[in-house]
Amino acid sequence: AQSVTQLGSHVSVSEGALVLLRCNYSSSVPPYLFWYVQYPNQGLQLLLKYTSAATLVKGINGFEAEFKKSETSFHLTKPSAHMSDAAEYFCAASDSWGKLQFGAGTQVVVTP
Amino acid sequence: DAGVIQSPRHEVTEMGQEVTLRCKPISGHDYLFWYRQTMMRGLELLIYFNNNVPIDDSGMPEDRFSAKMPNASFSTLKIQPSEPRDSAVYFCASMVANSGNTIYFGEGSWLTVV
Repeated sequence: AQSVTQLGSHVSVSEGALVLLRCNYSSSVPPYLFWYVQYPNQGLQLLLKYTSAATLVKGINGFEAEFKKSETSFHLTKPSAHMSDAAEYFCAASDSWGKLQFGAGTQVVVTP
Repeated sequence: DAGVIQSPRHEVTEMGQEVTLRCKPISGHDYLFWYRQTMMRGLELLIYFNNNVPIDDSGMPEDRFSAKMPNASFSTLKIQPSEPRDSAVYFCASMVANSGNTIYFGEGSWLTVV
């Protein structure tokens, strides 16, 4: 079964600064990997997903993530943070149909 | 297109009462999932269905929880009797096969048991 580790439960970034959220997975087989975002009192929205087509994946709202098999990582980045990026971000992985394993989440705070 | 629709959005109930959460998946999706989100345990998969058949219910916490999917467009998650520790956000999600495992979530049902 997959396990997903997100480093840092809280991240604070300045508006305009780089956003970097770390995610590592455990698997002997490259899984499907996802980043979801959850705004306060809302459901989870898919930001992007990796399905082996390309190691650098671009998502919505200017986010992208890079799959690195050697590091079993799938870190999420955005070059310039916006106030509207304040939310909780979840990394998730699955190696079978639909059984997503979520990380614990990283709360992003954006300061002016 | 309509997304995954859940009801009720918010429910407050007394301990011991029966709670029924409802979900309408995205039309054409053949997988349906129920997740629970709490501060302590994060996001947990409770059960999932494929073509209306329960495939894996190993995440259902105990016998007080039950889930059904009588047809392709409707599912329920029932808690009977409810307990304060069941307070959580319950998400329904759906997926279509061969979509790269992309799961779409509803807005959640926020349950408080007092």
